[in-house]
Amino acid sequence: GAGVSQSPSNKVTEKGKDVELRCDPISGHTALYWYRQSLGQGLEFLIYFQGNSAPDKSGLPSDRFSAERTGGSVSTLTIQRTQQEDSAVYLCASSLGPLAGGFSRSYEQYFGPGTRLTVT
Amino acid sequence: TQLLEQSPQFLSIQEGENLTVYCNSSSVFSSLQWYRQEPGEGPVLLVTVVTGGEVKKLKRLTFQFGDARKDSSLHITAAQPGDTGLYLCAGEDTGNQFYFGTGTSLTVIP
Repeated sequence: GAGVSQSPSNKVTEKGKDVELRCDPISGHTALYWYRQSLGQGLEFLIYFQGNSAPDKSGLPSDRFSAERTGGSVSTLTIQRTQQEDSAVYLCASSLGPLAGGFSRSYEQYFGPGTRLTVT
Repeated sequence: TQLLEQSPQFLSIQEGENLTVYCNSSSVFSSLQWYRQEPGEGPVLLVTVVTGGEVKKLKRLTFQFGDARKDSSLHITAAQPGDTGLYLCAGEDTGNQFYFGTGTSLTVIP
């Protein structure tokens, strides 16, 4: 079946412009995560959506960053007034969500290929 | 912030050698996952460990979760060029949020 898709794959923008990054999760997955990855580094958590619950926005680095998830499916990450330090690969992941029964664990995350953002 | 430190950060070895990557934290996690990432792609899950002291084997890869569920290790036996990539550990907290390690970049030279 289809995996997680992200668009665009590459985005070059000028400093100060706004950008929108799109994530199409696997159908039926209730959980959706956005991460940011600098070159060759680990992933930095940005935001987590789970079903109809209020999203966990604790990882967003500034109020220039926002994300929406429409209809429990597609998600858009928006960065306003981009800065050069926003340059990174933005990764989206989806999963079936938390395990039932109070295990405090989740099903496997499946990652998209990422969007490489370059701010000039 | 729950920090996961991986060591070493970079590793370059000859084909056939053994290696171990470490993932350490001061925080307790409900589960810990290991991923492998190739350039231009997203991370792919290798294994999830959930019980303190748990050991899982995946062909030439052996994963161990520390007794206190704060640390983990990945051991590769007889490394092959196909093992080259960025290895990431990730701990899951009770709020289903994942914290990723700093990454270990492995190069296996034929």
